[in-house]
Amino acid sequence: EAQVTQNPRYLITVTGKKLTVTCSQNMNHEYMSWYRQDPGLGLRQIYYSMNVEVTDKGDVPEGYKVSRKEKRNFPLILESPSPNQTSLYFCASSGSREAFFGQGTRLTVV
Amino acid sequence: EDQVTQSPEALRLQEGESSSLNCSYTVSGLRGLFWYRQDPGKGPEFLFTLYSAGEEKEKERLKATLTKKESFLHITAPKPEDSATYLCAVSFHAGNNRKLIWGLGTSLAVNP
Repeated sequence: EAQVTQNPRYLITVTGKKLTVTCSQNMNHEYMSWYRQDPGLGLRQIYYSMNVEVTDKGDVPEGYKVSRKEKRNFPLILESPSPNQTSLYFCASSGSREAFFGQGTRLTVV
Repeated sequence: EDQVTQSPEALRLQEGESSSLNCSYTVSGLRGLFWYRQDPGKGPEFLFTLYSAGEEKEKERLKATLTKKESFLHITAPKPEDSATYLCAVSFHAGNNRKLIWGLGTSLAVNP
């Protein structure tokens, strides 16, 4: 079954404490991306990766890092989280026709 | 300016009452238009891709159509389980890159 798995599903953290949200896909897709979704702003792309070791900024990359050391994994790193990064985050893995999304990570930074 | 606009923002229907959702776009170099369904707290789920004006796709009670300026998602005889937010996204050429822009969605509620 085609799957994108994100962990954790829920996370509450404090300002400045580094965190990583993991994302893994089992479809051998080259293209993966991270989005955040906020009320009234919709889905906005943070970073994307077109293949292993190839990453690029999306529309809202400030405060985030990513890495793509293996094809199946695309972690999102917040080095020093701030309250304005409180949001619902989605990882997506894209084939030629469609994107498959993970279940989401609801992050709260206090 | 490249833009995707969905209307209405919210729609409430009675079970069996057919209607349409709209996605209008202003981009050049369209590569594809996508429809997704999103349930609360979950990731978007793929419904359709449309590539050129005149194209239509159907799945159960849903039918998507595309013109040069907009797409419609027609919902025939909806059921309560069709309640969700429906998202539209447009992929287009931007210089040497491809870009994807998402609309804000239409929140659909179907009452039994």
